[in-house]
Amino acid sequence: GAVVSQHPSRVICKSGTSVKIECRSLDFQATTMFWYRQFPKQSLMLMATSNEGSKATYEQGVEKDKFLINHASLTLSTLTVTSAHPEDSSFYICSANNPGYYGYTFGSGTRLTVV
Amino acid sequence: GQQLNQSPQSMFIQEGEDVSMNCTSSSIFNTWLWYKQDPGEGPVLLIALYKAGELTSNGRLTAQFGITRKDSFLNISASIPSDVGIYFCAGQTTGNQFYFGTGTSLTVIP
Repeated sequence: GAVVSQHPSRVICKSGTSVKIECRSLDFQATTMFWYRQFPKQSLMLMATSNEGSKATYEQGVEKDKFLINHASLTLSTLTVTSAHPEDSSFYICSANNPGYYGYTFGSGTRLTVV
Repeated sequence: GQQLNQSPQSMFIQEGEDVSMNCTSSSIFNTWLWYKQDPGEGPVLLIALYKAGELTSNGRLTAQFGITRKDSFLNISASIPSDVGIYFCAGQTTGNQFYFGTGTSLTVIP
């Protein structure tokens, strides 16, 4: 149990366009999900906490208008990178907690390349 | 966000050797976790620690939650080639947010 599915796994987009990344908890309900960003050979940096039915909580320095988070159901959170620029190219990973399973389960990540 | 200091940054060891890495923070955490990440994948949980002083094993892996709640270590005994990867510690706050260490890249030489 405790499977988190993330889609797409890879996406290439043009500068100025928007990209949506989905994070789904497949066999449990997640009232809270987290979004991370990881640059090559670096650690995961928490971007925001996604709360079902309410606004996301963003970490300091993360632009909420650029990284739109929607958590409309107990099994789905989406991250939309708006007006993407090459510097937004990164590995984005979500995670969720299954109350019946210790620790947090991570999605397999999305490699975003903005050209 | 917060970031935990993890050391060493990288390790190159011979197969069969033991490995030790640690993580320190200026903040207190309620839970410490250790993850392994393979290239292009999300982190996979190895061990979770819930109480200060707790020592937990998972096969060849052993981790401890420091008494001060500001540090943790992970040991891997008798390393094998499939242990290769990046290991991250993570601390969980009272607000249920996770913050990750800077990572330790492990290379095992057969």
